[in-house]
Amino acid sequence: KNQVEQSPQSLIILEGKNCTLQCNYTVSPFSNLRWYKQDTGRGPVSLTIMTFSENTKSNGRYTATLDADTKQSSLHITASQLSDSASYICVVSGYGGATNKLIFGTGTLLAVQP
Amino acid sequence: NAGVTQTPKFRVLKTGQSMTLLCAQDMNHEYMYWYRQDPGMGLRLIHYSVGEGTTAKGEVPDGYNVSRLKKQNFLLGLESAAPSQTSVYFCASTINQGRETQYFGPGTRLLVL
Repeated sequence: KNQVEQSPQSLIILEGKNCTLQCNYTVSPFSNLRWYKQDTGRGPVSLTIMTFSENTKSNGRYTATLDADTKQSSLHITASQLSDSASYICVVSGYGGATNKLIFGTGTLLAVQP
Repeated sequence: NAGVTQTPKFRVLKTGQSMTLLCAQDMNHEYMYWYRQDPGMGLRLIHYSVGEGTTAKGEVPDGYNVSRLKKQNFLLGLESAAPSQTSVYFCASTINQGRETQYFGPGTRLLVL
């Protein structure tokens, strides 16, 4: 069964600290992996999209890594800010990359405290 | 550009009532999607459209209907609302399939009593 699992479910860190969120998937065949940020009460916003040939992709203080062999991805947040408090969702696309076949994880809820 | 907009933002329905959720995008995107988001679950695809005049079923289409009469609009209808349809509904659009970015609307929170 195609699945996307994220860990931890929730995380609390202090402002200025770094953190890493994990995503494991069993989707096959694999096309691309996306990370979204979802603020409370808002729609998800795309952070990165990586294909199987890309090991790392950065977007400002956000750096995503992908290991297609172990089917794992991580999202690293550097020098966290209060505005980073949000849910981070890992999404995997199979079946040739069709966006109607995206499989969404349940998200990691990050709280950044002053 | 307003991006993707959704109306209404919040609605309360009684069981058996009907309603239509409107999604509009001003980015000339071909592909549009309706998702629902429930606690403890990832977003699930209800219906989608690959262009004006087309619609297709997603993962959880039962109890919903859609229409795409204009390229910029994608409507989601509930003919007879049920408490199980209490959820947050998100519309999204993208220029084409593949690794293009999906743009999401702000969501519609629906409560069915």
